[in-house]
Amino acid sequence: DSGVTQTPKHLITATGQRVTLRCSPRSGDLSVYWYQQSLDQGLQFLIQYYNGEERAKGNILERFSAQQFPDLHSELNLSSLELGDSALYFCASSGRVDGTEAFFGQGTRLTVV
Amino acid sequence: QKEVEQDPGPLSVPEGAIVSLNCTYSNSAFQYFMWYRQYSRKGPELLMYTYSSGNKEDGRFTAQVDKSSKYISLFIRDSQPSDSATYLCAMSARSSGSARQLTFGSGTQLTVLP
Repeated sequence: DSGVTQTPKHLITATGQRVTLRCSPRSGDLSVYWYQQSLDQGLQFLIQYYNGEERAKGNILERFSAQQFPDLHSELNLSSLELGDSALYFCASSGRVDGTEAFFGQGTRLTVV
Repeated sequence: QKEVEQDPGPLSVPEGAIVSLNCTYSNSAFQYFMWYRQYSRKGPELLMYTYSSGNKEDGRFTAQVDKSSKYISLFIRDSQPSDSATYLCAMSARSSGSARQLTFGSGTQLTVLP
């Protein structure tokens, strides 16, 4: 158990809908990362937050947004969902200032039908 | 061309074999190198973390970094069926401030046969 908790584990929703994925980092970790993993793209970095502030952005679509709250948990919001958004979404946290040595949660499997 | 290249395999070895997994990269700014193990559709698990060139050993695992060749390796000694998983290399570059993102290889699928 990495100590990173993600909910829900599975999510099935229809195209055009909006969903929120939640992540609780390891106790004391200030950095939270979001990644998307699909069969053809591998693990793709979406966005990083550090102590409530957005610090780095990767290949995150404009339909997606995230935030980190004062208690350090994070949410990833996905809207206007398309079939191609079906993937595993992972959250990772790190206690290092430089954000390396990230520990991953078990992921949320999103299926868009 | 991807920044990080990793042979996807699949790689199949008998129990007890020495396994060598490799990644090459093109970004000379990469300074931090990690190996993750991912069981089927589970979250990646951090195995090894190294900084810059050199070797690091942890039990049956040895991580090796050759920055001059832009090549990293993970060796698994006395491989076990429980080592069967996908192995992902990941790297990050030194940057200003605390923000660093990990760039992952596509993963090598390993099967250790009993």
